Amino acid sequence: SAVISQKPSRDICQRGTSLTIQCQVDSQVTMMFWYRQQPGQSLTLIATANQGSEATYESGFVIDKFPISRPNLTFSTLTVSNMSPEDSSIYLCSVIHRGNYGYTFGSGTRLTVV
Amino acid sequence: QQQVKQSPQSLIVQKGGISIINCAYENTAFDYFPWYQQFPGKGPALLIAIRPDVSEKKEGRFTISFNKSAKQFSLHIMDSQPGDSATYFCAASMRGSGGYQKVTFGTGTKLQVIP
Repeated sequence: SAVISQKPSRDICQRGTSLTIQCQVDSQVTMMFWYRQQPGQSLTLIATANQGSEATYESGFVIDKFPISRPNLTFSTLTVSNMSPEDSSIYLCSVIHRGNYGYTFGSGTRLTVV
Repeated sequence: QQQVKQSPQSLIVQKGGISIINCAYENTAFDYFPWYQQFPGKGPALLIAIRPDVSEKKEGRFTISFNKSAKQFSLHIMDSQPGDSATYFCAASMRGSGGYQKVTFGTGTKLQVIP
């Protein structure tokens, strides 16, 4: 399975600022996903990022708030814009190889907005 | 229906005991049922998975039991150890547009195994 490096692992940010989270995969993957996991909660899909096309956002998430880049088959970024304390959460990058069934997750970015 | 219901929310088990976590789904189009294990500060990791054409899958101390007619599946952890203390998520997935498995996660069970 793929190995995912996610940076930063944690950050404390001021409200109104933006944070960009990086996700690097050790192999080429078509599909990359960004999830949010609030403390003690399940995983909520934010968006699906395909290389070469715009990200597809789930209901309740918009591009202006969570812009995503996918410049190549091994890298993606998620930006959390104009942050508020409600954005405090763990953000996870995930990949799946075409034809496979299981997802691989990064270790996550623990974001605290003060 | 895309929901996957998971219970219990939390579970405390004595070392050596059996931990049982249950899940139920509605959508019969799901064709893959994985369980993920998540330790604090880490992302979820695939633990074990089953397809709906079998009723049981065992890997070491971990067993999935699957009841297709009832649309339920469960994870059994035999001889539970303190190192098994983690949050467990059941999930169900089906092939989505683009050819990849689109997954729906349960709400999670926080397992604590006490010595």
